[in-house]
Amino acid sequence: EAGVAQSPRYKIIEKRQSVAFWCNPISGHATLYWYQQILGQGPKLLIQFQNNGVVDDSQLPKDRFSAERLKGVDSTLKIQPAKLEDSAVYLCASSRTSGGISIGELFFGEGSRLTVL
Amino acid sequence: GESVGLHLPTLSVQEGDNSIINCAYSNSASDYFIWYKQESGKGPQFIIDIRSNMDKRQGQRVTVLLNKTVKHLSLQIAATQPGDSAVYFCAENGEGLTGGGNKLTFGTGTQLKVEL
Repeated sequence: EAGVAQSPRYKIIEKRQSVAFWCNPISGHATLYWYQQILGQGPKLLIQFQNNGVVDDSQLPKDRFSAERLKGVDSTLKIQPAKLEDSAVYLCASSRTSGGISIGELFFGEGSRLTVL
Repeated sequence: GESVGLHLPTLSVQEGDNSIINCAYSNSASDYFIWYKQESGKGPQFIIDIRSNMDKRQGQRVTVLLNKTVKHLSLQIAATQPGDSAVYFCAENGEGLTGGGNKLTFGTGTQLKVEL
């Protein structure tokens, strides 16, 4: 079974530029998550999708971050304009669903490392 | 606010010894807990999970203990090997499985270093 795929693995941009990250979850996983992991810290949830709907985006800085999962499969996370403090690893994860609720462990991708100069 | 945790708690053990990594959680509504292992440059990898109706669960070389009275979780690794060197995170589902599914909150993490 293929794992969660993410790209690009690394990105370096200057502040105020924009960047987009892509994620393809494990086949059949209805729930998809984007986490932000700052160096030396645990991952922090940014947004959770179930199919193509947003379940929780309460911690997403909506003035600069946006995410979509239009067809309920792969997803894109965008940052525009980027700030220095956005330097982090952006992790995508997916999980199975039963009865409309995500269950079991989250499977993570390798992450996309962003450096903002 | 959160502190910048560049200096992770570190546990150093000799190869072959047992390791115990501890985690405190704050939300009494949490009913599902997971331990993840994260190697450098990789995403977190599932190790073992436990539901709040249990106080112990064993896997291959790993055991998770849950003490709901003091909101404490521990991960025990038997016969620690060099390949166990990584950062270990505990995560809790603070809203409960019926509150919207798996919305995990991660701890700061502990760096495990295995010395030969």
